[in-house]
Amino acid sequence: GQQVMQIPQYQHVQEGEDFTTYCNSSTTLSNIQWYKQRPGGHPVFLIQLVKSGEVKKQKRLTFQFGEAKKNSSLHITATQTTDVGTYFCADPTDDKIIFGKGTRLHILP
Amino acid sequence: GAVVSQHPSRVICKSGTSVKIECRSLDFQATTMFWYRQFPKQSLMLMATSNEGSKATYEQGVEKDKFLINHASLTLSTLTVTSAHPEDSSFYICSARVGGTDTQYFGPGTRLTVL
Repeated sequence: GQQVMQIPQYQHVQEGEDFTTYCNSSTTLSNIQWYKQRPGGHPVFLIQLVKSGEVKKQKRLTFQFGEAKKNSSLHITATQTTDVGTYFCADPTDDKIIFGKGTRLHILP
Repeated sequence: GAVVSQHPSRVICKSGTSVKIECRSLDFQATTMFWYRQFPKQSLMLMATSNEGSKATYEQGVEKDKFLINHASLTLSTLTVTSAHPEDSSFYICSARVGGTDTQYFGPGTRLTVL
């Protein structure tokens, strides 16, 4: 069935360091979405990528969609304590969204 | 805009009782709502897709007689966990999709603890 693989599962970084999470699919994706879930909170939609090779930026966050539309990445520059949480990629289909397992980001002060 | 509420936010119940969770889209009409379950430190697992006025579509492995879903209106879907047991303790999250888009807006979740 459909699935998106996400790595790493956990990441500890010093505050100020960069962070990247990767998402891979065995099939070509139409679109890919990214969500952030703070500890104890619910997922919050960050962005949707649609085009092959697309790169979008939101302040310190850079989202990339692979040329083959089978992989995507989220890169955070100079992490801050507010970046703590779990980042999920997701494959939105016509009838539902399939979530990756997420990458849990811990920031060390 | 696109706010989804869930009630209650937290519930503790005894084993064998039933618990109803409400999911409401506050400022838009949601023809489709989704119910997820999330165990600690795990991803969201889709339980069922709820379409207004029709029966819910359950994912494989989800017991439809145990997790009753009703989508009575374009702004309300309910999930009832019947005869709850400790293994049903989890974080239940609903989401609502804005018509014509891929975007889902999530409710704040309901943390269920079954004693």
